[in-house]
Amino acid sequence: GAVVSQHPSRVICKSGTSVKIECRSLDFQATTMFWYRQFPKQSLMLMATSNEGSKATYEQGVEKDKFLINHASLTLSTLTVTSAHPEDSSFYICSARDFRGAESNYGYTFGSGTRLTVV
Amino acid sequence: AQTVTQSQPEMSVQEAETVTLSCTYDTSESDYYLFWYKQPPSRQMILVIRQEAYKQQNATENRFSVNFQKAAKSFSLKISDSQLGDAAMYFCAYRSNFGNEKLTFGTGTRLTIIP
Repeated sequence: GAVVSQHPSRVICKSGTSVKIECRSLDFQATTMFWYRQFPKQSLMLMATSNEGSKATYEQGVEKDKFLINHASLTLSTLTVTSAHPEDSSFYICSARDFRGAESNYGYTFGSGTRLTVV
Repeated sequence: AQTVTQSQPEMSVQEAETVTLSCTYDTSESDYYLFWYKQPPSRQMILVIRQEAYKQQNATENRFSVNFQKAAKSFSLKISDSQLGDAAMYFCAYRSNFGNEKLTFGTGTRLTIIP
């Protein structure tokens, strides 16, 4: 089945540094990628939607200068957390819209998530 | 904006028994999709079942079935013959058929299976 490879799975960084998270679709073209943030024991909150070759659309309240999203190719989208602070510690999940086959109307493939800890 | 509500933060069920997880949503649209996703301890999101709003027939997938009540905006998940591997967080999600295809998730229900 469809796979979205998300790396790294865990990262610890110092406050003030930047961290890049990659999501790569391995066997399909991900024209649209959704980035979510999940706090412990909470739901997935959409941060932004990215379409290949265009600027990401951010949800209200999400700082676009802090969470930089790049979707330069049909198989790769990245989220960079710039000048990270402890409050940015969270679980980040990407989800690619999969338009293939019988599930073309509603297919989504999720990455396995990245646990970010800022110390 | 659409909202999705899961009123049961935690549920437990005896192995082999049946459990129903509830979900309600708020929308003014008539055409949309509803989903149930499972998030086990690995945190990988797994699609359990989905329902298209224009279809009156309730979706079923093996031991999983839904009770979709469009007028009441209710979308409950029934798990029959519960198994230990069903233990996970379950999220109900809504997707409009207009504009952005983003998923709006409920707050989740943690399901525990009692051996």
